[in-house]
Amino acid sequence: GAVVSQHPSRVICKSGTSVKIECRSLDFQATTMFWYRQFPKQSLMLMATSNEGSKATYEQGVEKDKFLINHASLTLSTLTVTSAHPEDSSFYICSAGYNEQFFGPGTRLTVL
Amino acid sequence: EDKVVQSPLSLVVHEGDTVTLNCSYEVTNFRSLLWYKQEKKAPTFLFMLTSSGIEKKSGRLSSILDKKELFSILNITATQTGDSAVYLCAVELQGAQKLVFGQGTRLTINP
Repeated sequence: GAVVSQHPSRVICKSGTSVKIECRSLDFQATTMFWYRQFPKQSLMLMATSNEGSKATYEQGVEKDKFLINHASLTLSTLTVTSAHPEDSSFYICSAGYNEQFFGPGTRLTVL
Repeated sequence: EDKVVQSPLSLVVHEGDTVTLNCSYEVTNFRSLLWYKQEKKAPTFLFMLTSSGIEKKSGRLSSILDKKELFSILNITATQTGDSAVYLCAVELQGAQKLVFGQGTRLTINP
């Protein structure tokens, strides 16, 4: 199957700082990528759909100014958590694919 | 609102038992239903179901979809401790490609 990578796998930051997470499709081009958030012992919640060359589509309740998404190329989407706070601590996962969605390994964000 | 509901939320059984995990859905534009297994990191794909009544099988795991009743089950026979994980059901929406996930079933297999 296709491979999706994420970087970093884990990040710890201080409250108020911004954190950038990268999602790459390694062996295919992805015009669309998806960003999910997963809190402990909960399911994946779709945050936004990242569209190459255009603005991301955010799900209801997700602040677009807080979670900046950039999809500048067919193999890379970035999610920037701006002015992170402890409540933003979560597991962030991206996915991409055509008929089947392949998930990245996830990024665990801890905001102190 | 599109909704996917899994049951049970948690299940503990002994090695060798057979388990059945349930997934029901109410969505506006169904395209497919997917099952994933999640251990410590990102979900790994198990099955994609698009047609009613056709069982998909992979080793000890099998799954079937009922589009009339809006329901799917995932069966695991002769369970092993390595089957312990959270099993996620997701529905893919027509056109949007996005997935709506259920809450997951946390399965624990005791030796």
